[in-house]
This record gives sequence, structure tokens and C-alpha cells, in this order.
Amino acid sequence: AQSVTQLGSHVSVSEGALVLLRCNYSSSVPPYLFWYVQYPNQGLQLLLKYTSAATLVKGINGFEAEFKKSETSFHLTKPSAHMSDAAEYFCAVSPSGGGYQKVTFGIGTKLQVIP
Amino acid sequence: KAGVTQTPRYLIKTRGQQVTLSCSPISGHRSVSWYQQTPGQGLQFLFEYFSETQRNKGNFPGRFSGRQFSNSRSEMNVSTLELGDSALYLCASSLEDRGREQYFGPGTRLTVT
Repeated sequence: AQSVTQLGSHVSVSEGALVLLRCNYSSSVPPYLFWYVQYPNQGLQLLLKYTSAATLVKGINGFEAEFKKSETSFHLTKPSAHMSDAAEYFCAVSPSGGGYQKVTFGIGTKLQVIP
Repeated sequence: KAGVTQTPRYLIKTRGQQVTLSCSPISGHRSVSWYQQTPGQGLQFLFEYFSETQRNKGNFPGRFSGRQFSNSRSEMNVSTLELGDSALYLCASSLEDRGREQYFGPGTRLTVT
């Protein structure tokens, strides 16, 4: 069975500081991995995804994530936080095998950006 | 392309009533998933439909049901509403391909009083 663990339900950073949101996965086969962002009163929006190509994935709004198989991690980073990055972030995993594959979401991490 | 649309956006119901929520996927997407989002539980998977067939179901009571129509539009129904059903209900559609990302609608905010 697949699962994701997001460490830290709330993360606070100062404006201009590094953003690091942690995600570890558990999957019986190499997975596909996703990061989504949710702004208040909106649905989720895809930030980036890993599908077994380059291990460093660049997404929208200056975010990137690195797939580390040895650590079973897919942490999300951004060099310099902006006030507009305040939102909730979800890591998700889906097995990469053939046929139907269910997507499993983490519990989410709320990012607060302090001016 | 138009995004995923959900109606209504906000809903207030009384305990014991039933409710039907609607989701229109992105054109060409045949897979529709439903999620319940609450502050304490995060994003909980309800069910997924593909070509009018439910192919996966989360751990929710039978009061929660859904269906998908031939045009891929989907509805979910909750009968005998309880206070704990108050939540944001999100619908997501996707293409049927590997590494498929999901496209979410804005959600329906259901409040049960």
C-alpha cells in the first residue's frame, strides 16, 4: 500500500527565507509524486510532479522538489518566500505501474509567511 | 479549456436532510474523483468514477453515494446529513494516463446545522 507523510502540519518562515516542506513516501514500486497548493477558499492546484524523468523537478511560482529514492523523500523548496506563498501544500503519491492507480494525498502543511 | 466546475459553491442544510452536489469535469476527462476536506482530517478520498463506473471507494458510510453520467459529469449524494458532514467537498478530474495529475474544482462548502 502506498502512503505519504508530511512532516509538520504548520510551517512558518520569514519573507525572503528558504521554504522547505517535507514529504516522505511509502510505495511498493517507484511512484509518481506530486505537490499541490491550495489557497483559501479554492481547490487544489498542481505545483509540480515527478514521473521518473529528472530527479529535480521545477514547478510553478519558483518551487522545486527533488526525488531521493534512498531517502524515500520528495521535499518541496523555494529559495525565497513571498507573502503570496502563504497557503496549504499537499504531497501526493501514485504508483507508476500499469493499469488503474489511485492517488493518495498527505495531510497537508500550512505555510505561514511572516513579513 | 474551461476548468472543473462545481455547483453549488455554498450550501446550508439541516441535520437529517439530504444533499446532491454536482461536478463538471474538464472536457475530455473521463475520470472524476471526490474528496472531503475538513480541518482535522485533511483530504479524505470518497470515490472515483471512470466511464460511469465506480472503480474505487474510500472508507465512508453508505450515506455517501455518487454516480457519473455519459457526459462524464458526476454527482455525489449524502443522505441523512449529520453535523460531522460539514466540510469542503472537492471534485477532481483527470485524463486516463500514467502520472496523471488531477485538476480540482473550487469545491462546495457544505454546512450542516
